[in-house]
Amino acid sequence: GNSVTQMEGPVTLSEEAFLTINCTYTATGYPSLFWYVQYPGEGLQLLLKATKADDKGSNKGFEATYRKETTSFHLEKGSVQVSDSAVYFCALSDGNRGSTLGRLYFGRGTQLTVWP
Amino acid sequence: DAGVTQSPTHLIKTRGQQVTLRCSPISGHKSVSWYQQVLGQGPQFIFQYYEKEERGRGNFPDRFSARQFPNYSSELNVNALLLGDSALYLCASSVGNSNQPQHFGDGTRLSIL
Repeated sequence: GNSVTQMEGPVTLSEEAFLTINCTYTATGYPSLFWYVQYPGEGLQLLLKATKADDKGSNKGFEATYRKETTSFHLEKGSVQVSDSAVYFCALSDGNRGSTLGRLYFGRGTQLTVWP
Repeated sequence: DAGVTQSPTHLIKTRGQQVTLRCSPISGHKSVSWYQQVLGQGPQFIFQYYEKEERGRGNFPDRFSARQFPNYSSELNVNALLLGDSALYLCASSVGNSNQPQHFGDGTRLSIL
């Protein structure tokens, strides 16, 4: 089956620190991988995506590389800001199966708090 | 352009009641999906619709139903509400290609008393 496992939170960092949030997945076929971010009281916003092995998704200083050999999609940022405080979700889409159009499977989320 | 819009934003119901949640997708998007997000967890897939037909269903009881209209908007219905149905219900729309990302609305917060 399909599943996503994220590192347990919460993660607390000082401003300008380096961020890594680990994400590993189990999937049949060749899923697309995503990171979504959720700010308090809001829905999910797409942060970045990768659709095939070795692709690197990037946005707003965040990066993640689709590693098929380690079934991982770790999120990194070189220098976090207070405004990055939010919950981050790793997700995969099983659209490769053909019978669906991309059902998303989410991890449990990782709460990030950045202090000034 | 307007994003995915959901209504209402908040809703309070009692056990046994029925509720209808509404979603309008991004213009040009033909697929709508519904997710349930319980506090402290990731969203769980409920339904997906494409071109007005159900294309996928998650592991939810028959009390949950949905439909998509000719203008691609969608409704999620939940009957015989239970306390455990308290959650944030998220609607997501996409063009329909599996490699294209789903875009989420801000959700409907449903509280069951």
